[in-house]
Amino acid sequence: NAGVTQTPKFRILKIGQSMTLQCTQDMNHNYMYWYRQDPGMGLKLIYYSVGAGITDKGEVPNGYNVSRSTTEDFPLRLELAAPSQTSVYFCASRPTEGSYNEQFFGPGTRLTVL
Amino acid sequence: RKEVEQDPGPFNVPEGATVAFNCTYSNSASQSFFWYRQDCRKEPKLLMSVYSSGNEDGRFTAQLNRASQYISLLIRDSKLSDSATYLCAVIGNTGGFKTIFGAGTRLFVKA
Repeated sequence: NAGVTQTPKFRILKIGQSMTLQCTQDMNHNYMYWYRQDPGMGLKLIYYSVGAGITDKGEVPNGYNVSRSTTEDFPLRLELAAPSQTSVYFCASRPTEGSYNEQFFGPGTRLTVL
Repeated sequence: RKEVEQDPGPFNVPEGATVAFNCTYSNSASQSFFWYRQDCRKEPKLLMSVYSSGNEDGRFTAQLNRASQYISLLIRDSKLSDSATYLCAVIGNTGGFKTIFGAGTRLFVKA
């Protein structure tokens, strides 16, 4: 299993540009999450999904959108990029059953908005 | 008040030392608790879950105090390889098993 994969690894955007961060997992997990991590800070939840077709906002959803058309994929869309969105973005997934199941993280996408 | 707060770092300790981290959470209905380890510029990885009765994994011991709403992580006989950021994580009682992470505590173990 590849686990959770994210593309791209790095990206530089200009202010006002848009992009989609890709996230795919091959573990058949229903729950998927998007976090951002600013330098020296913890993880902040952007959006999450409990299954295909179902998404919900996390702590910091403004400026982002998500979709979940399949169990495997959970892309994150940035519209009108702003310097405040410079961050490392992590996608994660976890099994449905059991509250003590760990989250599995992808390697992250490092985004700079100039 | 933040939902999950951790000891401010960094902690600088010599090899062989014992070091303890605390983490407090504000939601008394929180269900599950974890410690994750994050190496520089890498993704977080689960170190251990924290059970009500406390649990141990080798040199690592995790404790949960529901009355005072905090969890702790004790590292004994610190190794150079323990240098990392340690994130506590709490799952509340809302849907989706939303996990709230603390800001992390940086640990430096020196020879």
